[in-house]
Amino acid sequence: AQSVTQPDIHITVSEGASLELRCNYSYGATPYLFWYVQSPGQGLQLLLKYFSGDTLVQGIKGFEAEFKRSQSSFNLRKPSVHWSDAAEYFCAVGPYNQGGKLIFGQGTELSVKP
Amino acid sequence: GAGVSQTPSNKVTEKGKYVELRCDPISGHTALYWYRQSLGQGPEFLIYFQGTGAADDSGLPNDRFFAVRPEGSVSTLKIQRTERGDSAVYLCASSPNPGGYNEQFFGPGTRLTVL
Repeated sequence: AQSVTQPDIHITVSEGASLELRCNYSYGATPYLFWYVQSPGQGLQLLLKYFSGDTLVQGIKGFEAEFKRSQSSFNLRKPSVHWSDAAEYFCAVGPYNQGGKLIFGQGTELSVKP
Repeated sequence: GAGVSQTPSNKVTEKGKYVELRCDPISGHTALYWYRQSLGQGPEFLIYFQGTGAADDSGLPNDRFFAVRPEGSVSTLKIQRTERGDSAVYLCASSPNPGGYNEQFFGPGTRLTVL
């Protein structure tokens, strides 16, 4: 069965520091991969997605993610975190040919300290 | 333009009651998805509509849950004989094309509390 694991439930980083959020997936083939962000009181917003091609993808708000097939990982990174990045981050996998439904990880809550 | 809207934003009900949750997708989006997000968890897929028909309802937990989309636009998620374990945020998302992996646009959710 497909699954997504986000090992870190909560991460705290200092403003201006770099960030890496981990995501591992379980799937028989190369899936479609996504990162979403959920701010309090707001809906989920897509940060970036990977379908094929270049394994380093750029997203909105200065985020990027790297697909590593050998590690079944799709980690999210940002070189310099801003206080407004504090939110819940979800990694998701979209199994091929299943109508577009998404399977989400448990989420990582990011706190940013001044 | 307008995004995905969901009503009500909050719903408190008593165990055993019937509830309806409404989703208005972005105009022209043919694909519509329902997810459920329990506290401290990621969203969990419930059902996917392609036009008026439910293309995949494999995520519905049991037969107390039912969803419709009669005119291919607005969708209603119906829960019969609610249980305390149904308490969660119910999210709706729409996408411009069915079956593909275009971006899903999420609504703000309906927080359901079953007392």
